[in-house]
Amino acid sequence: ETGVTQSPTHLIKTRGQQVTLRCSSQSGHNTVSWYQQALGQGPQFIFQYYREEENGRGNFPPRFSGLQFPNYSSELNVNALELDDSALYLCASSLSATGELFFGEGSRLTVL
Amino acid sequence: AQKITQTQPGMFVQEKEAVTLDCTYDTSDQSYGLFWYKQPSSGEMIFLIYQGSYDEQNATEGRYSLNFQKARKSANLVISASQLGDSAMYFCAMREYVRGGATNKLIFGTGTLLAVQP
Repeated sequence: ETGVTQSPTHLIKTRGQQVTLRCSSQSGHNTVSWYQQALGQGPQFIFQYYREEENGRGNFPPRFSGLQFPNYSSELNVNALELDDSALYLCASSLSATGELFFGEGSRLTVL
Repeated sequence: AQKITQTQPGMFVQEKEAVTLDCTYDTSDQSYGLFWYKQPSSGEMIFLIYQGSYDEQNATEGRYSLNFQKARKSANLVISASQLGDSAMYFCAMREYVRGGATNKLIFGTGTLLAVQP
């Protein structure tokens, strides 16, 4: 148990819809990173939030956006869902912008 | 650009035997960090072991050791005395450095599925 919790664990959406995934970071951790893991692939970095500001982004379009709240929990929002957005979305928290990552169990999104 | 390559999609090992999972990396940075994670079917990425590029000794954590060969750019994971609970996906990853500074962006390989047989 890493202390990082994600919700929902599973969800199904249709193309064009919007989705919000949530992450509660480990106590005291001020940095949250989000990763997308397609089936049979390794995780890919989406972005990172440090003290409520985005401070790093991977090769994902602007329809992937996020928020970090004062309690350091975080949301990942994806607009205009596409079939290729079907994946496991992993959240990881850390004590700093360069610290060890602690991953949650992920939210599995299926887009039909 | 940094890249991680894992060439073994799947591996079998007998319980109580040792197994080596291969990982090669590509980077032009002098400073970098290499990780191994275990991902059971539940989805959570479990940290196993870390090796820094300037660490002179190979990292060890219990039954896990990292065979770090810098000149060959390889960072193989060795699991000794395999257990049934070791059956999972294993990912090698590298921490990205930007302008000499570490980030929390990890670059992952495609993983190796390990099956431990009784």
